[in-house]
Amino acid sequence: EAGVAQSPRYKIIEKRQSVAFWCNPISGHATLYWYQQILGQGPKLLIQFQNNGVVDDSQLPKDRFSAERLKGVDSTLKIQPAKLEDSAVYLCASSLGPTGIETQYFGPGTRLLVL
Amino acid sequence: AQSVTQPDIHITVSEGASLELRCNYSYGATPYLFWYVQSPGQGLQLLLKYFSGDTLVQGIKGFEAEFKRSQSSFNLRKPSVHWSDAAEYFCAVVKAGTYKYIFGTGTRLKVLA
Repeated sequence: EAGVAQSPRYKIIEKRQSVAFWCNPISGHATLYWYQQILGQGPKLLIQFQNNGVVDDSQLPKDRFSAERLKGVDSTLKIQPAKLEDSAVYLCASSLGPTGIETQYFGPGTRLLVL
Repeated sequence: AQSVTQPDIHITVSEGASLELRCNYSYGATPYLFWYVQSPGQGLQLLLKYFSGDTLVQGIKGFEAEFKRSQSSFNLRKPSVHWSDAAEYFCAVVKAGTYKYIFGTGTRLKVLA
């Protein structure tokens, strides 16, 4: 079974530029998550999708971050414009369902450096 | 506020030695509890989880964890560490009835040959 795929693996941009990350979850997983992991911290949930609907985006900085999962499968996370403090690893995860009991499977992440 | 504490940022052990990584949480009721491992360049991988029942949980790679309600703890243990266990370990909790993972700050494990 293929795991969660993410691209790119690394990205370096200058502040005020825009960037987009892509995630393809495990086949059949209805729930998709985007996390931000800043160096030295644990992952923080940015947004959770159930199929193509947003379940929770309470910690997503909506003035600069956006995410979509149009067909209920893969997803894109965008930052525009980027700030220095956005430097982090962006992790995508998926699970069969939305409850806390479901195991989340994580992708390898995209490491973003904003200069 | 709900929180997860991993008091040890770094731990170094010799190969073959035993290991215990600490995790404490602050919730009114027993949450769902998880331990994940993150190897360099890899995503997080689930080691084990606790929802209810037997308070000693067995996981993959020879790891186990014990839930202690009185101490609000869920410590991860391994009797004999292998060099390949060097990684960062994250404790996570989910408040029962919700879905949101709250991760601790992680413990980075170094294994000496």
